[in-house]
Amino acid sequence: QKEVEQDPGPLSVPEGAIVSLNCTYSNSAFQYFMWYRQYSRKGPELLMYTYSSGNKEDGRFTAQVDKSSKYISLFIRDSQPSDSATYLCAPRGGSEKLVFGKGTKLTVNP
Amino acid sequence: DAGITQSPRYKITETGRQVTLMCHQTWSHSYMFWYRQDLGHGLRLIYYSAAADITDKGEVPDGYVVSRSKTENFPLTLESATRSQTSVYFCASSVRGQGESPLHFGNGTRLTVT
Repeated sequence: QKEVEQDPGPLSVPEGAIVSLNCTYSNSAFQYFMWYRQYSRKGPELLMYTYSSGNKEDGRFTAQVDKSSKYISLFIRDSQPSDSATYLCAPRGGSEKLVFGKGTKLTVNP
Repeated sequence: DAGITQSPRYKITETGRQVTLMCHQTWSHSYMFWYRQDLGHGLRLIYYSAAADITDKGEVPDGYVVSRSKTENFPLTLESATRSQTSVYFCASSVRGQGESPLHFGNGTRLTVT
């Protein structure tokens, strides 16, 4: 079983839609959970960072972690064409090992 | 401009040739990393460095060599390039180790080995 599973999509939504991006993981040692956003032909950039279970909100973005089911979500409200990118989940455990999901490609259509 | 710069942006080389990818950061971050990104595999760590003259292997180090004589530079060398090393290579830096602080990525080098 892979350590991190992420549906690659692609996911296409109309502008204004609520987007849900998800990852599952297998390693119960993961405690820190990050989401990176990668625009085409660019390097990834950190979008959200959460520790342990619960929700974290930053503007239109909400990161959610459910450690009991090993499930990570990123919600985007009122999605915009500028949100079109690939989103990578990246959990990390105490061994300092950071594992990236394969990424989900999102397109928001005007 | 502050940031992390990779060069070249695009490189085509032949099988068996040696090629070096350059990475330079202006933040004086202690940690630097090299990743490769391939369809179907996502980002995989090749090598990383905690400080000048300290390097360590990542998930896929075979066929690669790194050095870090100065804090700001972290070149990646493919000693004898193979077609399987065709990929997009990303350099990153951070204040602390993986995931302890944000990774700052360059814009990548797209390498094609023919």
